[in-house]
Amino acid sequence: AQSVSQHNHHVILSEAASLELGCNYSYGGTVNLFWYVQYPGQHLQLLLKYFSGDPLVKGIKGFEAEFIKSKFSFNLRKPSVQWSDTAEYFCAVNQASGTYKYIFGTGTRLKVLA
Amino acid sequence: DADVTQTPRNRITKTGKRIMLECSQTKGHDRMYWYRQDPGLGLRLIYYSFDVKDINKGEISDGYSVSRQAQAKFSLSLESAIPNQTALYFCATSYGGLGSDKNIQYFGAGTRLSVL
Repeated sequence: AQSVSQHNHHVILSEAASLELGCNYSYGGTVNLFWYVQYPGQHLQLLLKYFSGDPLVKGIKGFEAEFIKSKFSFNLRKPSVQWSDTAEYFCAVNQASGTYKYIFGTGTRLKVLA
Repeated sequence: DADVTQTPRNRITKTGKRIMLECSQTKGHDRMYWYRQDPGLGLRLIYYSFDVKDINKGEISDGYSVSRQAQAKFSLSLESAIPNQTALYFCATSYGGLGSDKNIQYFGAGTRLSVL
């Protein structure tokens, strides 16, 4: 069965620290990849996406992610986090053909200390 | 106004009661989804619909039913609520056609449901 794994469940960082959140998926076909962010008390918002092309994608608020096909990974990075980045981050995978269902990871809760 | 609107935002109900959560969208998207979010479990798909006549079960559909009344409306029902259905429920939409918006999901603000 397809699955998405986010290995870091809780991350605590100080402001200006660098961030990397891991995401691995299991699916042998062509996929679309997403990172969504959920700020406290809010709905999920798209942070960035990868459909094809350059495996390094840039999103909003200085976030970027790299798709490494050989590792089935799509890790999220930010060079210098801010207090306002405190949120829960979800990796999601969507089949590029077929059922088009989305599978979400269990989320990583990030807390940035001021 | 929000593109994806969920009502109610909060609901407390008792075990055995029937409850309906509603979702409407103004994005013109063809596809709609219902998820539940539980701490540590992420988002799990309950039902999804790719058009008015297409309804599909997700990974946790037992105890739930849905109705796609129109392209813009997708409601979720709990026929007989039980306490382990206490969760945060999200509706989402996406566009299956061509264009830059394709396959991006847009979420409503969520409905926090408590079943006592």
